[in-house]
Amino acid sequence: EAGVTQFPSHSVIEKGQTVTLRCDPISGHDNLYWYRRVMGKEIKFLLHFVKESKQDESGMPNNRFLAERTGGTYSTLKVQPAELEDSGVYFCASSQANRPNSPLHFGNGTRLTVT
Amino acid sequence: AQSVAQPEDQVNVAEGNPLTVKCTYSVSGNPYLFWYVQYPNRGLQFLLKYITGDNLVKGSYGFEAEFNKSQTSFHLKKPSALVSDSALYFCAVRDTDTGKLIFGQGTTLQVKP
Repeated sequence: EAGVTQFPSHSVIEKGQTVTLRCDPISGHDNLYWYRRVMGKEIKFLLHFVKESKQDESGMPNNRFLAERTGGTYSTLKVQPAELEDSGVYFCASSQANRPNSPLHFGNGTRLTVT
Repeated sequence: AQSVAQPEDQVNVAEGNPLTVKCTYSVSGNPYLFWYVQYPNRGLQFLLKYITGDNLVKGSYGFEAEFNKSQTSFHLKKPSALVSDSALYFCAVRDTDTGKLIFGQGTTLQVKP
């Protein structure tokens, strides 16, 4: 089966611009997560979708970040306007069930650089 | 609050030697623990997990991890390191209420020939 795919793999934008990241989860996985790793720090949770519904968005840094998952398939994460501190690697993950013993399957991440 | 700590930013070992990457956790209730690895320019790959049962868990690529409840640790181990094991390793605990993974800060493993 195809894994979690993320696009683009890299993005370099200027402060104040808008960027949209896309994640295609594994087919049939209802649970979709976004995480972010800022350089040298831990990977931090951003939000969790169950199908098209936001189950938990407690990790979203501020209202410049907007995540959607229309139709419960792929998801987008938009940053508008981007700030320097938004630079980092954005990971998407999916799982079939939201059980504690179910591992999350991660994509390769999108490396975002804001200059 | 649940948390995970990886006390070492970097671990250096010689090829063929045993390796240990340390992880300690703090949870309320039973811990669900995971190790992930990130190779350069790749995503996070699942290595192994501890849910219940034997304290020694075997995973991918010859890695294993030892769950120690009294020391609240879940150290990653491998008897004989390979240069290709050089990567960034993350320990994580699953929050049983929300389902989300809580990660440690990561440990860079450098295996030298």
